[in-house]
Amino acid sequence: QITLKESGPTLVKPTQTLTLTCTFSGFSLSSSGVGVGWIRQPPGKALEWLALIYWDDDKRYSPSLKSRLTITKDTSKNQVVLTMTKMDPADTATYYCAHRAARGLFNWFDPWGQGTLVTVSS
Amino acid sequence: DIQMTQSPSSLSASVGDRVTITCRASQSISNYLNWYQQKPGKAPKLLIYAAVSLQSGVPSRFSGSGSGTDFTLTISSLQREDFATYFCQQSYSNPGFGQGTRLEIK
Repeated sequence: QITLKESGPTLVKPTQTLTLTCTFSGFSLSSSGVGVGWIRQPPGKALEWLALIYWDDDKRYSPSLKSRLTITKDTSKNQVVLTMTKMDPADTATYYCAHRAARGLFNWFDPWGQGTLVTVSS
Repeated sequence: DIQMTQSPSSLSASVGDRVTITCRASQSISNYLNWYQQKPGKAPKLLIYAAVSLQSGVPSRFSGSGSGTDFTLTISSLQREDFATYFCQQSYSNPGFGQGTRLEIK
């Protein structure tokens, strides 16, 4: 059974850097084809993909946020870390990590972590 | 970036109704389209992947169709537990989500 759980601060101040950790079990991020993604959702709004890291350490970022994001993995700890710089109130959202599953060229996010609400406010 | 547009944004329906939600991509994405269900306060749950494949454990009243730019999610006979928000997601390039369709009880 695959599980993921996000952890990190619930409140950050504007201009600060956010660091979120996704701790997972039930799969290895060193297995071919596997990935972990980060997705966020402002209250009452749509899902927005942020970043993705693959088993081979390939990394992909949302073009609109690329300059502010860094994604890394620690395979030995079964963790993926996302950092986002220059936080703004508009970044207030629930942040999810999710397992990227694949079959051939097709891929999808399943399952997802429970999410963690991050509020940006002074 | 590929833009994903869902319609309608919200929908009222009754238990037992047949419901169709549409997702349109700004360019062809072949069959690289996934559907998720999200209930209030919960994480999204995968329903359909590769446009037409039902995820294990998902009731057969859910079905997906389409290819290229136009896709649909159909619920053949709405059950009370189906009232939720539904999102499409393209996996042709960097992941992108539709804005969601909120399905409410009439």
